[in-house]
Amino acid sequence: NAGVMQNPRHLVRRRGQEARLRCSPMKGHSHVYWYRQLPEEGLKFMVYLQKENIIDESGMPKERFSAEFPKEGPSILRIQQVVRGDSAAYFCASSPRPLAGGSEQYFGPGTRLTVT
Amino acid sequence: AQSVAQPEDQVNVAEGNPLTVKCTYSVSGNPYLFWYVQYPNRGLQFLLKYITGDNLVKGSYGFEAEFNKSQTSFHLKKPSALVSDSALYFCAVRDILAGGGNKLTFGTGTQLKVEL
Repeated sequence: NAGVMQNPRHLVRRRGQEARLRCSPMKGHSHVYWYRQLPEEGLKFMVYLQKENIIDESGMPKERFSAEFPKEGPSILRIQQVVRGDSAAYFCASSPRPLAGGSEQYFGPGTRLTVT
Repeated sequence: AQSVAQPEDQVNVAEGNPLTVKCTYSVSGNPYLFWYVQYPNRGLQFLLKYITGDNLVKGSYGFEAEFNKSQTSFHLKKPSALVSDSALYFCAVRDILAGGGNKLTFGTGTQLKVEL
């Protein structure tokens, strides 16, 4: 069973460009979570999605950031008009049941975004 | 606020000796607690979790953790450390106050270094 897949693994964008980060959850997992890890910091929750629905986006910046998890295809985290402060590692996780039901989350290898 | 604290930025231990990585928590209600390990430039790997039941939880790679309600702690332990255990370890707690309780709040991480 393949793990959580993320691509690209490394992404370089100039200030003002758009960044699209993709996440394919583990087979059979319909719950997807995005986290951000800034340099020298722990992981911070951004958003929780189920198929076609955003359940909790309390950790998402109000502007420029959006996420989706369509019926078909991977989950996408989109950052518009990137700024240097967006440089970080972005991790996707998936689970077969929600965390509230006691299910652990399985993490992908991350996408390291560098904004120049 | 739901939080976990990892009081040690780094733990050094000799190979073959027992290791302990400390974690304390502050939550409302019954905690769901998790330990993850992160190797350089990799995603987080799930080690173990406490939801309910026995206070001593056994996980992957010979790791175990003890849930102590009176001390609000969930320390990670291993009887005999290996050099290959050297990595960054994160404690996490389910945040029940936001979004239906489906997000993890992570500690700042403890770097474990096992030396020959």
